[in-house]
Amino acid sequence: QQQVKQSPQSLIVQKGGISIINCAYENTAFDYFPWYQQFPGKGPALLIAIRPDVSEKKEGRFTISFNKSAKQFSLHIMDSRPGDSATYFCAASHTGTASKLTFGTGTRLQVTL
Amino acid sequence: SAVISQKPSRDICQRGTSLTIQCQVDSQVTMMFWYRQQPGQSLTLIATANQGSEATYESGFVIDKFPISRPNLTFSTLTVSNMSPEDSSIYLCSVEWTYEAFFGQGTRLTVV
Repeated sequence: QQQVKQSPQSLIVQKGGISIINCAYENTAFDYFPWYQQFPGKGPALLIAIRPDVSEKKEGRFTISFNKSAKQFSLHIMDSRPGDSATYFCAASHTGTASKLTFGTGTRLQVTL
Repeated sequence: SAVISQKPSRDICQRGTSLTIQCQVDSQVTMMFWYRQQPGQSLTLIATANQGSEATYESGFVIDKFPISRPNLTFSTLTVSNMSPEDSSIYLCSVEWTYEAFFGQGTRLTVV
């Protein structure tokens, strides 16, 4: 019940395209949903996060869409750039904050020229 | 944001030995967390370390294998004890700061 399922495992997108990564969860107690970006040799860095009282949050080229009834949330990266090539993790917490995160399995994104 | 420094950044250790990983934060924080990231895998929470109390371990992780210290509000250590090749992973320190999680760069451990 603590799992967060993430798809796809890997993704190749052309420069300028839209990258979409999806996550689904089962635990209805989850109340904080962040997305992290990780480059090789680095720790994860927070991209954007959402709480279940809103259905969408946008920050620059990054948008989270949240569907509480379906227990799903997704990350959209608009105008994808080669510098966006990294591994992306969704996560969830039941504490309302970023403590004790349960992570998805990760998506390796490659943005080609 | 909180800046986290981890030492060492990487190490190669013999099986049966122990390694202590240090985590230093530039701000005082209540909770610190230790995660494990196995090669090409996701992150799994090992334990939560609060200053002045025993660490709280997640299912599948025990204090004898992963003892944790938290002597003050800016520092913590994680020891990986009696190591085996299965312990080869990246170990990450994390803190919660203004409701967000910040991570160190990780310690890449290889057990041979």
